[in-house]
Amino acid sequence: KQEVTQIPAALSVPEGENLVLNCSFTDSAIYNLQWFRQDPGKGLTSLLLIQSSQREQTSGRLNASLDKSSGRSTLYIAASQPGDSATYLCAVLFNTDKLIFGTGTRLQVFP
Amino acid sequence: DAGVIQSPRHEVTEMGQEVTLRCKPISGHDYLFWYRQTMMRGLELLIYFNNNVPIDDSGMPEDRFSAKMPNASFSTLKIQPSEPRDSAVYFCASRTGTGLYGYTFGSGTRLTVV
Repeated sequence: KQEVTQIPAALSVPEGENLVLNCSFTDSAIYNLQWFRQDPGKGLTSLLLIQSSQREQTSGRLNASLDKSSGRSTLYIAASQPGDSATYLCAVLFNTDKLIFGTGTRLQVFP
Repeated sequence: DAGVIQSPRHEVTEMGQEVTLRCKPISGHDYLFWYRQTMMRGLELLIYFNNNVPIDDSGMPEDRFSAKMPNASFSTLKIQPSEPRDSAVYFCASRTGTGLYGYTFGSGTRLTVV
């Protein structure tokens, strides 16, 4: 069964810290992996998309890496800010044509 | 492009009533997906279409749920009759081709069945 797991489930950090969110998946036959952000009561905003042939993608203070062989991806957030507070979702597009989501990491950055 | 558009944003209905959720995908996207998000189960894929044809509806929870895509720019998800356990946020998403450029999600419909 294709599954996506995210740890930690919740994270609370002071402003300015660098942090890492983890995502693991059970099947290495993936097409790509997408990180989303979801604010409370809102929709999903795409942050980064990594193709299966890529190792990492960067956007501003965000960096996502992909290691297919170990079934892992990390989202690195540099110099965190209170505005980064949200739930971060990892979603894997497996070759079966289905985008499977992890349960998310709820991040709180306090001033 | 205005993105994936869903309506209504919020829906409150009484148990037993019919509920219809609507979605307009991004123009040119040939895949459309319906997801449901709950606290207990997270985001679950309900059904998806390719070129207006339903491909996989194995995630549809019960026969009370049905989805249609009469044309490339419109899809509906219907629940009849609705039950309190159907309360959730329903998202529509679309993508082009193989998914090379990722998925784009709508803002969701928050459904409350009382």
